[in-house]
Amino acid sequence: NAGVTQTPKFRILKIGQSMTLQCTQDMNHNYMYWYRQDPGMGLKLIYYSVGAGITDKGEVPNGYNVSRSTTEDFPLRLELAAPSQTSVYFCASSYSTGRGHEQYFGPGTRLTVT
Amino acid sequence: SQKIEQNSEALNIQEGKTATLTCNYTNYSPAYLQWYRQDPGRGPVFLLLIRENEKEKRKERLKVTFDTTLKQSLFHITASQPADSATYLCALDESGTASKLTFGTGTRLQVTL
Repeated sequence: NAGVTQTPKFRILKIGQSMTLQCTQDMNHNYMYWYRQDPGMGLKLIYYSVGAGITDKGEVPNGYNVSRSTTEDFPLRLELAAPSQTSVYFCASSYSTGRGHEQYFGPGTRLTVT
Repeated sequence: SQKIEQNSEALNIQEGKTATLTCNYTNYSPAYLQWYRQDPGRGPVFLLLIRENEKEKRKERLKVTFDTTLKQSLFHITASQPADSATYLCALDESGTASKLTFGTGTRLQVTL
């Protein structure tokens, strides 16, 4: 199993550009999440999904969009990039049976907006 | 307001000693508390989970305690090794559904020879 994979690893965007961060998991997890991590700060939840076709906002959703058309994929879309979106983005997934399951994280995408 | 506090200063200890990291929270009622390890440039990796009705959990050299009255969790690494050097994050799961986590800022542990 590859686990959770993310592409790209690094990206530099100009202000106003758009891009999609890709996330794929091969563990058949129903739950998937997007976080951002700024230096010295904890991970902040952007969006999450409890299954294909279902998404919901997390703590910091403004400026982002997501979709979940399959169990495996959970792309994150930035429509109009702003310097405040410079961050490291992590995708994660977890089991959905029962409660309190650990999350499996991808390697992250480092995004710089200039 | 809700707050999760981990010591922002790095913890430096000598190899072989026990490292103790603290996670304090206010205005949360977590059903679960989790600890993760994060190495530079990598995603967090799950270590341990403890439920609100559990006082202590162990896994090899790791031990976690959870005191819902003090609103505190302690994370211990016994017989620490230089390979244990990393940032350790605590995370609270209040929701019980979707396993949504709220993370602390993490504590960097440096184990020296």
